[in-house]
Amino acid sequence: DGGITQSPKYLFRKEGQNVTLSCEQNLNHDAMYWYRQDPGQGLRLIYYSQIVNDFQKGDIAEGYSVSREKKESFPLTVTSAQKNPTAFYLCASRGLAGGRYNEQFFGPGTRLTVL
Amino acid sequence: KQEVTQIPAALSVPEGENLVLNCSFTDSAIYNLQWFRQDPGKGLTSLLLIQSSQREQTSGRLNASLDKSSGRSTLYIAASQPGDSATYLCAAGETSGSRLTFGEGTQLTVNP
Repeated sequence: DGGITQSPKYLFRKEGQNVTLSCEQNLNHDAMYWYRQDPGQGLRLIYYSQIVNDFQKGDIAEGYSVSREKKESFPLTVTSAQKNPTAFYLCASRGLAGGRYNEQFFGPGTRLTVL
Repeated sequence: KQEVTQIPAALSVPEGENLVLNCSFTDSAIYNLQWFRQDPGKGLTSLLLIQSSQREQTSGRLNASLDKSSGRSTLYIAASQPGDSATYLCAAGETSGSRLTFGEGTQLTVNP
């Protein structure tokens, strides 16, 4: 069953802590993305990666970091420098070939709450 | 910078009605346009993708159209059902196809 998995589903963080959100895909997609969604709003791009060992900042990268050591994995670290980290985080991937070329597919999301 | 707007923000209709959701974008030089559905607390489900060279795409009761020159896309839902209740988001792909800019969505409620 191909798809995108995110873990954990819910995450609680204390002030001053770094936390890492996991995103894994088995769709053999080259590109992967991290978005943030706040209540009643659309999605805002945090970081994206089009190939292994390369990534670019999105519109709201401050306070976040990523790595792309494997094609299947694109973890997101929310650092203590992120002022308002409480949000719903969504990971996506995009294929660059095949029948659904250029279509983005999304994981189920991780809800992060800062206590 | 691309800006995407969806009107209305919320819509409530009786079951069986045909309806249209609107999406507008400021930069007509888009690579593609994608429509998604989001249920509460869930991720996004891709509904339709329209490439910039296409005018429309259809999937079952859904039909999406694209008019680049006017900066508009519409999602037509035929014979709406309570199970169609969700938030619908559109997203414009930039020229390289690598990034999407999202609208804030239209929250649809279909009443039995």
